[in-house]
Formats: sequence, C-alpha cells, structure tokens
Amino acid sequence: DAEITQSPRHKITETGRQVTLACHQTWNHNNMFWYRQDLGHGLRLIHYSYGVHDTNKGEVSDGYSVSRSNTEDLPLTLESAASSQTSVYFCASSESGSGAKNIQYFGAGTRLSVL
Amino acid sequence: RKEVEQDPGPFNVPEGATVAFNCTYSNSASQSFFWYRQDCRKEPKLLMSVYSSGNEDGRFTAQLNRASQYISLLIRDSKLSDSATYLCAVKKGDYKLSFGAGTTVTVRA
Repeated sequence: DAEITQSPRHKITETGRQVTLACHQTWNHNNMFWYRQDLGHGLRLIHYSYGVHDTNKGEVSDGYSVSRSNTEDLPLTLESAASSQTSVYFCASSESGSGAKNIQYFGAGTRLSVL
Repeated sequence: RKEVEQDPGPFNVPEGATVAFNCTYSNSASQSFFWYRQDCRKEPKLLMSVYSSGNEDGRFTAQLNRASQYISLLIRDSKLSDSATYLCAVKKGDYKLSFGAGTTVTVRA
C-alpha cells in the first residue's frame, strides 16, 4: 500500500546542532508539506513543495529549510536547532487538482526535543 | 483574526449523545473544506470532506454555511471511540490547507 513515512519518530538534540527530519511518500503526489504542531497553535505550515526542485516558505519558516530532489522525498533541515523548535513535526502530501484532491495525508510525525 | 477558528472545547458528552461544533473561516473565496480527526499524539486523519450541499457519513454530518462562513460537524449516537480532537481545514491558495487548532471531544461511559 502507498504510504507516507517519517523518520526518526523521536529525536533529542542539542541547541546549535543541525538536524534533518526525513519524509518519504509512495503515492507519487506532487505536493508535500511540513507542519509543526504546538499546544495552542494547531498545525502551522513551515515549508511546502509543489514538485521537484520547487520549494516555498510557509508561515513559520525561519530556521528551517527543505529541498526536493525527487517526487518521493522532502527532508526538513533545522540549520541550528533552538529550544523554540521543540515540537511535533508532521509531513503531509496531496495530489494536484481541486476538490477531494486537496486532501492531505499525514505521516506519523516526529517528536523533536532540543535541549 | 485567525484564518480558521474553532471552539477548543472540551465537549464532554455521555455515550449516545449528540454533539455538534463549528469552525469559522475568514476567506470567503475558500472552495474546499475538510474535517480531520486527531487522536492524542497521533497524526491527523481525514474524517470527511465537506460539500456545499452538506454530507453525511454514518453518524457524522458535515454542513457548510457560506453566507456565515462556517462549517459544522455533528456526531450522533456518540461512542467512546469518538473521543478525539477534530480539526477543520480550509483550502488556502493553490493546494495549501489552513487548519484550525482543533475541538476536543470526550465521550464518557
């Protein structure tokens, strides 16, 4: 079955370190998204991509970067981890199109702690 | 004003009860709407899309009110397994979705 997987599921790191969270989908979806979820804020969009070599900033992109070298993967990099980036990170993907094609399917999430 | 707002709840209801809650959105041009369910510490999962004429999926009914810019979710005959946080999502721009912070529902025995 097609799916979207995130790794690692849990990560503890230190401030100042570079961290990369992986996201891999096998639906052949053009669109991929990274969110962070914190209490009181819901899901906030970090970066998104509508295809290979396309990347765009979301509402909370500072301190994060992504690259899209193929359809399946959109890794999220924290350039220099900060305690404020302690959060749960979700990757999602969707088809291009209208209506039901806008449905986003989520990975299981990565719980990141920056100490 | 937030793009999508939800009453955080919690809605605490007995088994078998009906519970309903709304989600308001600010962009009158929004075209696609969804309800997601999120269990504690898990990923959001699509519950149902919301169509302009309203739609039903078993015990769940979703409605869209474009004039007042809100969508609603009604759960009939609540089950213990319905306890979760319900997120509404509204299409924003090309393919992005804007999510509400969620409404927590707790069904008690």
